[in-house]
Amino acid sequence: QKEVEQDPGPLSVPEGAIVSLNCTYSNSAFQYFMWYRQYSRKGPELLMYTYSSGNKEDGRFTAQVDKSSKYISLFIRDSQPSDSATYLCAMSLRDTGNQFYFGTGTSLTVIP
Amino acid sequence: EPEVTQTPSHQVTQMGQEVILRCVPISNHLYFYWYRQILGQKVEFLVSFYNNEISEKSEIFDDQFSVERPDGSNFTLKIRSTKLEDSAMYFCASSVRTGRSERNQPQHFGDGTRLSIL
Repeated sequence: QKEVEQDPGPLSVPEGAIVSLNCTYSNSAFQYFMWYRQYSRKGPELLMYTYSSGNKEDGRFTAQVDKSSKYISLFIRDSQPSDSATYLCAMSLRDTGNQFYFGTGTSLTVIP
Repeated sequence: EPEVTQTPSHQVTQMGQEVILRCVPISNHLYFYWYRQILGQKVEFLVSFYNNEISEKSEIFDDQFSVERPDGSNFTLKIRSTKLEDSAMYFCASSVRTGRSERNQPQHFGDGTRLSIL
């Protein structure tokens, strides 16, 4: 089974807060993990991708993967109103060329 | 920054008609994909395409669907006889080919074509 589960929210936080977004999955064969941001009427925009357990940081964003628990997270520090969007987790089984499996997305609103 | 472009942004078609959705992937990418997103649901994989042939497809991608790379820049999705349930956002994506020693290169998405079947 290749299910990816993600709490759809909505999630509402004050500006400057730390945001935690999470996905769980059931298939231990997933190797690559991505986070995309999707604004209304736009396509998914890549934020982070990683292929191993542990943390990966890029500016205000930190992606965390725990393969033993089948759990991935995205942390947003010092959240801004411009971070208001839907956040999608995605994962794949192997290297380039294969399908991504997406979560349902979490709707985030950052209140000024 | 290079991007995937899709046209049209919105397509309205009568049920039973054929529709062609067009995409221009990022120019140095070699893998191309189509996904769809029905309103309120997950983004779902349809098909991947490499070296002028389908490399993987989902159960959704039945005989009504076809893909083509008619020239060096365009990548198209054709739905032969549209049904009401084909109404969705259709996203094109592309990614760079990787060698064995390289890690996965993620897919970059266009802004989608909203397909409305009447």
